[in-house]
This record gives sequence, C-alpha cells and structure tokens, in this order.
Amino acid sequence: AQSVTQPDIHITVSEGASLELRCNYSYGATPYLFWYVQSPGQGLQLLLKYFSGDTLVQGIKGFEAEFKRSQSSFNLRKPSVHWSDAAEYFCAVGAQGTSYDKVIFGPGTSLSVIP
Amino acid sequence: EADIYQTPRYLVIGTGKKITLECSQTMGHDKMYWYQQDPGMELHLIHYSYGVNSTEKGDLSSESTVSRIRTEHFPLTLESARPSHTSQYLCASRSQVGGYGYTFGSGTRLTVV
Repeated sequence: AQSVTQPDIHITVSEGASLELRCNYSYGATPYLFWYVQSPGQGLQLLLKYFSGDTLVQGIKGFEAEFKRSQSSFNLRKPSVHWSDAAEYFCAVGAQGTSYDKVIFGPGTSLSVIP
Repeated sequence: EADIYQTPRYLVIGTGKKITLECSQTMGHDKMYWYQQDPGMELHLIHYSYGVNSTEKGDLSSESTVSRIRTEHFPLTLESARPSHTSQYLCASRSQVGGYGYTFGSGTRLTVV
C-alpha cells in the first residue's frame, strides 16, 4: 500500500527567502505525485502534479517540485516566498494502473512566513 | 473560482440530530470523494463514487452514508450526529481525462455539541 510522509510539521521562513518542503513516499511502482495547498478555512488547491516524463515539474504560484525515484522523494520548492504563501501544504500519492482510484495524503506541513 | 460547492460552510448542531452535507459540482466529473480532516491533521478518505448509483466506503470507517443519484450531486448524511463527528468534511471530484488531480470544495466545518 502506498504511504506519504512529510517530515516537517511546521516551517517558518522569512519573506523573500527560499523554501523547500520535504515529501517522501512509499509505493512499489511509479506513483502519481501531487502537492496541494490549503489556506485557513478553505479546501485544497492543486499546486502541481507529476505523472511521468520530466522529473522537474512547474506549478502555479511559482512553485516547482522534483521527483527523485532513488530517494522516493518529491520535494516542493520556491525560490522566494511571499507572505501570502503562508498555508498548509499537503503532499499526496496516487497509485497508477490500479482499479482502486485512491490518493493518499501526507500529514501536511504548516508554513509560516515572517516579514 | 470553485466549480465544486459545499454547503453549509459551518454547522453547529446538537447531538442526535440528522444532518446532510451537500456537495455539487458543475464540471461533469464522474468521480467524487468525501474526505474527513481533523484540525491540523491529514485527510482521510471516507466515501467515494465512480458515477451515478456507485458508492464505496473509503479507508476511514465512518458512520455517515452517501448517495449518488445525479452526476453532479454527492451528499453525505449523518443519521444521528455525535460529538465524535466534529470535524471538517471536504468534498472533491475529478475527471477521467485531463490528469489525475482533484478539485476540492471549500469544506464544511461541523461541530456537534
């Protein structure tokens, strides 16, 4: 069964600093990988996704993520954080090629941005 | 702008009451999902549907039930609410084509007192 870990429960960065949020997954085959962002009191918004091909994927709001099969990782990055990026970030993994359409979410990383 | 709508956004209700959380999407998606999310915690799949008249239970056991009579509508019902049902409930949908990402609603935050 697939699983997702996000080692950092909470991260604080200064506005303008770079950001990297870690995500590790466990799955026997090539997974679908996603990053979602959740602002307080809101639903989740898809930032980016990886299915196949180029391992560096670009998303909305200036985010990117890199799939590293050897490390079972899909870390999210942003070169310069804005105050509006403060939110909860969820990594998720879906199983390819299965009839059971299920996406597993990680526990989330809460991002605070200080001026 | 959201194409999937959840109502109500907030609900405070007494123990033993029957409640229905509404979820509607205008995208014609076949697949719809309900997730439960406690504050600061991960999402847990409680129900999903692959289309009209299709409903399945998810990973997290839930006393709620769902129905899918129309493609666009996927309501969740609790026959007798209890304080342990206090949580946020998120509805999502996706299409078979165009990728695998979900579109989420804004959620319903339920408090049972």
